[in-house]
Amino acid sequence: GAVVSQHPSRVICKSGTSVKIECRSLDFQATTMFWYRQFPKQSLMLMATSNEGSKATYEQGVEKDKFLINHASLTLSTLTVTSAHPEDSSFYICSASSSYNEQFFGPGTRLTVL
Amino acid sequence: DAKTTQPPSMDCAEGRAANLPCNHSTISGNEYVYWYRQIHSQGPQYIIHGLKNNETNEMASLIITEDRKSSTLILPHATLRDTAVYYCIVRLMNTGFQKLVFGTGTRLLVSP
Repeated sequence: GAVVSQHPSRVICKSGTSVKIECRSLDFQATTMFWYRQFPKQSLMLMATSNEGSKATYEQGVEKDKFLINHASLTLSTLTVTSAHPEDSSFYICSASSSYNEQFFGPGTRLTVL
Repeated sequence: DAKTTQPPSMDCAEGRAANLPCNHSTISGNEYVYWYRQIHSQGPQYIIHGLKNNETNEMASLIITEDRKSSTLILPHATLRDTAVYYCIVRLMNTGFQKLVFGTGTRLLVSP
């Protein structure tokens, strides 16, 4: 299967700071990338869908000004958590797909906000 | 998206077959059944998918009932590394831009 990477795998930051998470498709061009969030012992919840070169579509209840998504190329999407607070601590997972293949998931990024 | 229903947890002895059921009674004719699994603190991993015929790959087999209202994922010889949460999802195929809606899944525990 195709490979999707995320960086960093773990990040700890202070409350009020911003954190950027990168998602890369390593061996295919991803026209669409998805960002999920997962709290402990819960399922994955989709946050937003991004298509290369256009604005992301956010799910209901997800603040677009807090979770900034950029999908500037066919192999890279970034999620920036702005002014992070402890309640933003979670496991963030991206997935990537081209028009006609499956979604391939990254390994996830664990964010801890102190 | 059609909803799916899965048991919250199952146990399986190592080396035995693990049969994970999924109900999707509202599935539409052009929706496929997909299975993913998530090992603790990792991203989900694609396992298998099917429309109406039974499917098999190197990881598992998928049995879909004739009326397509339910399916079973079979891990023929479960190992300790198969301990994970298994998600059954229905979605349209050939639409890479379609979002996946994850339910609560089945937590499979494989024991020695």
